[in-house]
Amino acid sequence: DAKTTQPPSMDCAEGRAANLPCNHSTISGNEYVYWYRQIHSQGPQYIIHGLKNNETNEMASLIITEDRKSSTLILPHATLRDTAVYYCIVRAKTGANNLFFGTGTRLTVIP
Amino acid sequence: NAGVTQTPKFQVLKTGQSMTLQCAQDMNHNSMYWYRQDPGMGLRLIYYSASEGTTDKGEVPNGYNVSRLNKREFSLRLESAAPSQTSVYFCASSEAGTSAYEQYFGPGTRLTVT
Repeated sequence: DAKTTQPPSMDCAEGRAANLPCNHSTISGNEYVYWYRQIHSQGPQYIIHGLKNNETNEMASLIITEDRKSSTLILPHATLRDTAVYYCIVRAKTGANNLFFGTGTRLTVIP
Repeated sequence: NAGVTQTPKFQVLKTGQSMTLQCAQDMNHNSMYWYRQDPGMGLRLIYYSASEGTTDKGEVPNGYNVSRLNKREFSLRLESAAPSQTSVYFCASSEAGTSAYEQYFGPGTRLTVT
């Protein structure tokens, strides 16, 4: 699975959009980009995933660059409950069954 | 639906003691996983079960054993606990082994080995 690089921490004002970047320059053609988050002391929660097209669901939007070497998770209107560690994971949809979580980005939403 | 449940929530063991962490899911998922999370780090896979009757090692299997009791339940056993196994343990499940993209996680078991 390709390695990902994320900033260790970010702040965002409540009500503003939170844009979380992820670099995955060694991604291969069959690998998807997944985002999970972990609110303090809880189990991780799936947010969204994509291959090459931008994706949106009720939680967030995922923007993947045309060369697929990086992506951005967007929380359109951050709330205090969005304070969490966000993990960007790249893996093939088939094959190994584990998710490599890395250390993620700690997002703090400020009132 | 309760989703993924884990017992116990907290446990303190002395070095050398044994214990079993229990996990159950009610989503009829085929695949189940055990991860550990050490302070300030991401999750690391211990063992997984792609389907009922099969188990495989993950990144950090040493010191652990697992049993896929049935489709719902997947237990993790520490035969002789060591302080290095102090961690938070998460169980997860997903719809299918080779095409899974969304894993559902339990609330975790916080284990301290003294």
